[in-house]
Amino acid sequence: GAGVSQSPSNKVTEKGKDVELRCDPISGHTALYWYRQSLGQGLEFLIYFQGNSAPDKSGLPSDRFSAERTGGSVSTLTIQRTQQEDSAVYLCASSSSQLAGSRGDEQFFGPGTRLTVL
Amino acid sequence: AQSVAQPEDQVNVAEGNPLTVKCTYSVSGNPYLFWYVQYPNRGLQFLLKYITGDNLVKGSYGFEAEFNKSQTSFHLKKPSALVSDSALYFCAVRVHNFNKFYFGSGTKLNVKP
Repeated sequence: GAGVSQSPSNKVTEKGKDVELRCDPISGHTALYWYRQSLGQGLEFLIYFQGNSAPDKSGLPSDRFSAERTGGSVSTLTIQRTQQEDSAVYLCASSSSQLAGSRGDEQFFGPGTRLTVL
Repeated sequence: AQSVAQPEDQVNVAEGNPLTVKCTYSVSGNPYLFWYVQYPNRGLQFLLKYITGDNLVKGSYGFEAEFNKSQTSFHLKKPSALVSDSALYFCAVRVHNFNKFYFGSGTKLNVKP
């Protein structure tokens, strides 16, 4: 597709359940990011994938959060045993930038998944 | 540590007046600076970026931003605001050779007719 897509657009779940959020980046983009945007807050970095390199997981808030990227394309963010404080909009972005000597290639964002944990 | 600050949670301007949305940064290394806009119920959209060269960069929708190295700032400006500019604006920084982006907390711009 022409842009980054995310699914589902909205997810309502019960506390303690697991959820999976999906991101389809722009074709050919090697970098993929996950962010969390809570109401009235800025973007909180969660995890970053670059090609076949080990992901940067430094932003994951707890071990209940994990993500994978299969085949260098689609990514899934999984939240286990969801808590009410996990309620937020989860944004995915992709970029064409490379590592060494990279220029400032901008990120392209998906529309987000709004997660509500009851 | 790398960080970005947007000191104003909200900026109010009248339509037709100039607007400024402030951003300061703290990084170790050469920064790449970005502005994004988020309209209600929409994803973030890229506005403009500073990589190198001319300190004044022009972007989409008539916006521009000035990179000031001595003040470590990258304020977003527009000579004449439109009501349709009302949105949430995010400043972001990325350090050369690193792909991680750091975002500010966002500034809500309200342009009143």
